[in-house]
Amino acid sequence: DAMVIQNPRYQVTQFGKPVTLSCSQTLNHNVMYWYQQKSSQAPKLLFHYYDKDFNNEADTPDNFQSRRPNTSFCFLDIRSPGLGDAAMYLCATSRLYTQVSYYNEQFFGPGTRLTVL
Amino acid sequence: GQQVMQIPQYQHVQEGEDFTTYCNSSTTLSNIQWYKQRPGGHPVFLIQLVKSGEVKKQKRLTFQFGEAKKNSSLHITATQTTDVGTYFCAGRLGKDGGTSYGKLTFGQGTILTVHP
Repeated sequence: DAMVIQNPRYQVTQFGKPVTLSCSQTLNHNVMYWYQQKSSQAPKLLFHYYDKDFNNEADTPDNFQSRRPNTSFCFLDIRSPGLGDAAMYLCATSRLYTQVSYYNEQFFGPGTRLTVL
Repeated sequence: GQQVMQIPQYQHVQEGEDFTTYCNSSTTLSNIQWYKQRPGGHPVFLIQLVKSGEVKKQKRLTFQFGEAKKNSSLHITATQTTDVGTYFCAGRLGKDGGTSYGKLTFGQGTILTVHP
């Protein structure tokens, strides 16, 4: 089945120790998104890609970086995790939105739960 | 900034009662999507509404998009314990969706609990 896969599902890191989360997709979607979700809150968009065109949200901290080496894979790097970065990190994909092709639901992966000690 | 507001934040119902969550945007939306997130799970797409005044039904779920394309609602008839979870609306801002490739602005979500 086509899907969005995230690894690892659970990640424990130490304060200030860099961590990388990965996402892969078999849906062949052009657009990939990284969200941060804290308990009882809505997913907060960090950045998104259309192919290799990178779009950063204005309020995404510089501590968060992303790479998309090819269509299938996307990585989230947290350079110096703080206690406030503990959260669920969700990867999602969709087709490109256009005024002709405007049905572009987002498919979410299962998420990586990050704990910062 | 541009926001999508969702109310109520929490809703507790007895099984069999109806449930409604409302979503309002400060700006016109090109379309709106609804997602459900089960406890411990990830958001799962339910439906997308595109046209002004559009109404869509999925079994016990009825979705509406306002005439001005600034508000939407999800109504569940006769809730069941399987309806438990958080329901999010997510809108694409702007009349034509802009050039954001597919970016959505999520409402805060409504957490639904159903007592058997």
